[in-house]
Amino acid sequence: DGGITQSPKYLFRKEGQNVTLSCEQNLNHDAMYWYRQDPGQGLRLIYYSQIVNDFQKGDIAEGYSVSREKKESFPLTVTSAQKNPTAFYLCASRRTSVYTGELFFGEGSRLTVL
Amino acid sequence: EDKVVQSPLSLVVHEGDTVTLNCSYEVTNFRSLLWYKQEKKAPTFLFMLTSSGIEKKSGRLSSILDKKELFSILNITATQTGDSAIYLCAWGPNSGNTPLVFGKGTRLSVIA
Repeated sequence: DGGITQSPKYLFRKEGQNVTLSCEQNLNHDAMYWYRQDPGQGLRLIYYSQIVNDFQKGDIAEGYSVSREKKESFPLTVTSAQKNPTAFYLCASRRTSVYTGELFFGEGSRLTVL
Repeated sequence: EDKVVQSPLSLVVHEGDTVTLNCSYEVTNFRSLLWYKQEKKAPTFLFMLTSSGIEKKSGRLSSILDKKELFSILNITATQTGDSAIYLCAWGPNSGNTPLVFGKGTRLSVIA
């Protein structure tokens, strides 16, 4: 079955530690996205990538970093510079060869900073 | 300034009620408007609207777009407890590669 796999589903970290959230897709999608979700805030865009080895900042990129070395993978690192990292993180992808607005989402990763 | 504004932000109804969720959006560079349902984790796609006045339906859910007044509504008839979720509206700019912009969502609670 094709889809998007995020891991881990739950993660705890101490302040000052970097953590990396994994996102892998086997849908052969070109574009991948990271969103952050806080209660009452909807989805806010952190970073996105349209092709391998290229990515752009979203609305709230400060304190985060990404890489896109393979088409299937788009990991997100939450650095110690992110002041309020506790949140639910969603990875998504979509095709770009034929325009379609639909995003496909992973199950999410919930990060808690202790 | 928010490009996508949803209302109400939360709503509690009884089973069997009909609900209408609202989404207004910015006009610039509009291409499409999408609705998603989020129950626990991953949002699931409901509708994509690109043309005014054409209603899209799926079971008890329906949605329509008004490009003149810049809004969309999502209707749910005969609500069930399984409809309890966050409903997200997203605005799609006129470029296949540009990210969707999401509203804050409407949290719907359906009680028995």
